[in-house]
Amino acid sequence: DIQMTQSPSFVSASVGDTVTITCQASQDIDKSLSWYHQKPGKAPNFVMYIGPTFRSGVASRFWGSGSGTDYTLTISDLQPEDFGVYYCQQSESFPLTFGGGTRLEIK
Amino acid sequence: DEQLAESGGGVVQPGRSLRLSCTGSGFTFGQYALGWVRQAPGRGLEWISFIRSRTYGGTTQYAAPVRGRFSISRDDSRNVAYLQMNSLRADDTAVYYCARDGHRTWNFDLWGRGTLVTVSS
Repeated sequence: DIQMTQSPSFVSASVGDTVTITCQASQDIDKSLSWYHQKPGKAPNFVMYIGPTFRSGVASRFWGSGSGTDYTLTISDLQPEDFGVYYCQQSESFPLTFGGGTRLEIK
Repeated sequence: DEQLAESGGGVVQPGRSLRLSCTGSGFTFGQYALGWVRQAPGRGLEWISFIRSRTYGGTTQYAAPVRGRFSISRDDSRNVAYLQMNSLRADDTAVYYCARDGHRTWNFDLWGRGTLVTVSS
């Protein structure tokens, strides 16, 4: 199974700041990597997929990049609605696996 | 408006069974693969099951913790997918989400609100 490790597990930032979340896979996942955002008590929302077959429509404040085993999600000009937990997920192979999550707190 | 809605959750005793339903609306349900993802209280997301569209054979995949106990199926004529859960255990307690694979890339672009399953005596 491919293990996904996210860091940091918690980040606090102010409105207008830029934050970067990282996700490391235990093996090459060839950009088959998605990001999700979950607010407390709500279902996850799809943020983006950075794989080769399509690019999702997402606010330009969100930028995903990476290759091989290392990936990042950068959120610029943080807005209050961006708080919550971000998860990465690999779709290179089954079983599909998620990272443990990064909690983003808005100061 | 594209939507998924789960139903069928509740409280069930260990060892018993439960069937969850996932109803889609606002899109051509049969064209998409679907998955189930669960989230135990205070924990992260865990993928548990996946079913491809009939065009791609309707084949299924399961995570190790549920393989042999859970079964995913779909009835495209009714726009419904099911998760049959047998031999339930306390560690199956979670919110269960149904989600759509919108681009055949094994990720999930549309999620339901979830249904809570509590396994307790």
